[in-house]
Amino acid sequence: DSGVTQTPKHLITATGQRVTLRCSPRSGDLSVYWYQQSLDQGLQFLIHYYNGEERAKGNILERFSAQQFPDLHSELNLSSLELGDSALYFCASSVSSGIDTQYFGPGTRLTVL
Amino acid sequence: KNEVEQSPQNLTAQEGEFITINCSYSVGISALHWLQQHPGGGIVSLFMLSSGKKKHGRLIATINIQEKHSSLHITASHPRDSAVYICALNYGGSQGNLIFGKGTKLSVKP
Repeated sequence: DSGVTQTPKHLITATGQRVTLRCSPRSGDLSVYWYQQSLDQGLQFLIHYYNGEERAKGNILERFSAQQFPDLHSELNLSSLELGDSALYFCASSVSSGIDTQYFGPGTRLTVL
Repeated sequence: KNEVEQSPQNLTAQEGEFITINCSYSVGISALHWLQQHPGGGIVSLFMLSSGKKKHGRLIATINIQEKHSSLHITASHPRDSAVYICALNYGGSQGNLIFGKGTKLSVKP
C-alpha cells in the first residue's frame, strides 16, 4: 500500500459525459502528478500540482482539467468524453516539487462506451 | 523515435535465472526510475538513480550517464517477479514529471 488513494476504482460512462477522478496523496506529500495509461500510448504525464499550484502540464487535452485543494487532495475532471479517453488514470505523490521518488495510487479505470 | 527505449519488450525466464532488462534514452536527464507494474495494475517505484548502482534485495539497477543506458537486473528470479518493468526519466532540470518507456513484460515460470 503506497498510501495514495484514488476513487473510484472503476468508472463506466457514455460518450459526451463528464467525470471527476479523485486522488489523496500520502500524508506529508505536497506534489500530485496525474498520468494516463492507454494500450496504444502507454503511460503519459498529464499535469503536476504542488501545494495547490499548477507546476507543469504535459499531454493534457483542453477537455481535461485538474485542481489541488487546500487539504492537498486533487481532482481530475474529464469532460465531453470520447471513446479514446478510455484508459487507466494514475495519480502519484511525492514530497517535493522536483526530482523525487513518486508513490502511485491504485489507479482509476475509465471505460467510455 | 521514442526518447526512452526498453528491451526486450517481452521476456520469459525459468525460476532461478538471472534477468537483465535494458533502458536506453536519447535526452539529457536528471534521474532515471525503474517501476514495477503488477498484473492488477498497481505501480511501485523500485529505484531512482542519477549515477552508479543501487541494490535492493535481489534487484540491482545500474546507470551509465555517458552511454545514456540503464539496466535492471534480477538475481534468482521467482514467479512473483512476473510483472511489467517500466523505465522512466526526469528530463534534465528540476521538473518532477516522468517520461516513460513502453515497459518490459517479464514472465517467470516455475
